[in-house]
Amino acid sequence: DARVTQTPRHKVTEMGQEVTMRCQPILGHNTVFWYRQTMMQGLELLAYFRNRAPLDDSGMPKDRFSAEMPDATLATLKIQPSEPRDSAVYFCASGLVTGANTGELFFGEGSRLTVL
Amino acid sequence: DAKTTQPPSMDCAEGRAANLPCNHSTISGNEYVYWYRQIHSQGPQYIIHGLKNNETNEMASLIITEDRKSSTLILPHATLRDTAVYYCIVRVEVVWDTGNQFYFGTGTSLTVIP
Repeated sequence: DARVTQTPRHKVTEMGQEVTMRCQPILGHNTVFWYRQTMMQGLELLAYFRNRAPLDDSGMPKDRFSAEMPDATLATLKIQPSEPRDSAVYFCASGLVTGANTGELFFGEGSRLTVL
Repeated sequence: DAKTTQPPSMDCAEGRAANLPCNHSTISGNEYVYWYRQIHSQGPQYIIHGLKNNETNEMASLIITEDRKSSTLILPHATLRDTAVYYCIVRVEVVWDTGNQFYFGTGTSLTVIP
């Protein structure tokens, strides 16, 4: 079955370190979303790409977070420098948006980040 | 996108139907109702969506009121594996609209009891 693949699944790092999370969307999908989930805030939308172009990253702290899609098979979310409050599970999701498509999202299994 | 209101938690006996309500009183004419669920520690999973008519698939049924201000997700025979957080989302389904993101609220935590 086609699936969204996220790496790493778990990451423990120290405050101030750079963290890069990667996502391989389902082949052929043209939209990619990054979400962050914590107990306090629930699922927060961080960024949204269509055809590799960022359409909305208003949910992302701009000073330390950046999201890119260097090619259609890879989306990255980078945090530099990381802080303890960034500890969360980060989910990537992809979907296919066309004129006749439902827009269903497929989520990866998430990257659990712990910043000490 | 319109906001949704869901009860924070519900219980359901195993084998019985689980009826999960959602209010979306400010929904606009071109917004669809989507349901997703998230089983503990996994990514959310699509269940069903609809615009006006009731919908059914292998997982669930979606009942949308005539005025579209509320909907109900029905799991006809709940099992223990249906224990999860269920999210109701309203979203524009327009290809060229840059605002058709999925915003998840707090959802309903459904516990299926043996």
